[in-house]
Amino acid sequence: DQQVKQNSPSLSVQEGRISILNCDYTNSMFDYFLWYKKYPAEGPTFLISISSIKDKNEDGRFTVFLNKSAKHLSLHIVPSQPGDSAVYFCAARGLSGGGADGLTFGKGTHLIIQP
Amino acid sequence: NAGVTQTPKFRILKIGQSMTLQCAQDMNHNYMYWYRQDPGMGLKLIYYSVGAGITDKGEVPNGYNVSRSTTEDFPLRLELAAPSQTSVYFCASSYGVKSNQPQHFGDGTRLSIL
Repeated sequence: DQQVKQNSPSLSVQEGRISILNCDYTNSMFDYFLWYKKYPAEGPTFLISISSIKDKNEDGRFTVFLNKSAKHLSLHIVPSQPGDSAVYFCAARGLSGGGADGLTFGKGTHLIIQP
Repeated sequence: NAGVTQTPKFRILKIGQSMTLQCAQDMNHNYMYWYRQDPGMGLKLIYYSVGAGITDKGEVPNGYNVSRSTTEDFPLRLELAAPSQTSVYFCASSYGVKSNQPQHFGDGTRLSIL
């Protein structure tokens, strides 16, 4: 049972336009959400995060929006650049305290920026 | 700035062999994690540690063992390699849950069991 879902395996966007990557989750106990970017043969690199007490977080060209009632978050990249071509993973962390602090990942969306 | 270092980068094992995947971090993080990523899938948590001497199971721990004798190192052991363990393994570290800081990942070990 997938608790974090990224329903678009791939997304193609023209350079300079906005890229919107979507993520849905089912576990209402998740309290912290992250986006990671991954290039081939490298590990995931942290991009941006958002706490469940917020609905928006911005960092340069990257903005993450969280809609708790819909259990949905999205990553906006504006403007999209060729170097943004990568696989993007949505991840979520539960309220764990001393328990499992590991992240639950979606399957990823392969973003392709077209020149 | 080494961050999280994983060795080896690639390895081919025969069924039934054993090996240890090494992971070291130099950020003085308390929490460390092992994940595996199968083709077309997200990362899944194998084991994690909240500090030296403390380890616990994640979502997919069967067939693996871990130890944490120092803050810096968190090796992952495969005792009897099976084809189902063919995957890419990622080690990560973080300050811990209360800090709301992200996990930092190594570049992975690609393991094939033949």
